Amino acid sequence: NAGVTQTPKFQVLKTGQSMTLQCAQDMNHNSMYWYRQDPGMGLRLIYYSASEGTTDKGEVPNGYNVSRLNKREFSLRLESAAPSQTSVYFCASSSRREGRETQYFGPGTRLLVL
Amino acid sequence: AQTVTQSQPEMSVQEAETVTLSCTYDTSESDYYLFWYKQPPSRQMILVIRQEAYKQQNATENRFSVNFQKAAKSFSLKISDSQLGDAAMYFCAYRSGGYALNFGKGTSLLVTP
Repeated sequence: NAGVTQTPKFQVLKTGQSMTLQCAQDMNHNSMYWYRQDPGMGLRLIYYSASEGTTDKGEVPNGYNVSRLNKREFSLRLESAAPSQTSVYFCASSSRREGRETQYFGPGTRLLVL
Repeated sequence: AQTVTQSQPEMSVQEAETVTLSCTYDTSESDYYLFWYKQPPSRQMILVIRQEAYKQQNATENRFSVNFQKAAKSFSLKISDSQLGDAAMYFCAYRSGGYALNFGKGTSLLVTP
């Protein structure tokens, strides 16, 4: 199993450009998440999807949109990138087994907006 | 909103010694989960250990153990027999009935030979 995979690993954008960050998991998890990590900070939730077909805003959703394409895939789109969106983006997925839920993270996408 | 506080931005430990990383949290919930994640220079977030609030027994995973004090809202991580590969950022995280993890700002652990 590959676990959680993310593409691309690194991206440079100019202000105003758009792009989509891709995430896929092969663990048959129902829930998927997008976080961002800024220097000196822990991860903050952007959006999450509790199950296929549903999405909800997290702590910092402004400037982003998401799509839960199917159970495996959850994409994050920046319609008009801003320098404040320079960050490392992590996708995660989770399932509940015996009442215990653990999130598993992808390797991250480093995004630089100039 | 729940908050997670890691009061030690940096910690240092000698190889083979023991180190304890601190974490406190603020919540009014009675049922929740606590986690420690490790982030090495590769930036991969790796689960180290998990604790369910309803369990009185402290979780243990090999050289890693926690001291969970529910009344004090404290959740510290003890690393025994520290190894060079333990050097990383360590994040404490909290989750209750919702789906999101709330993270602290992290503690950078340096392991010296």
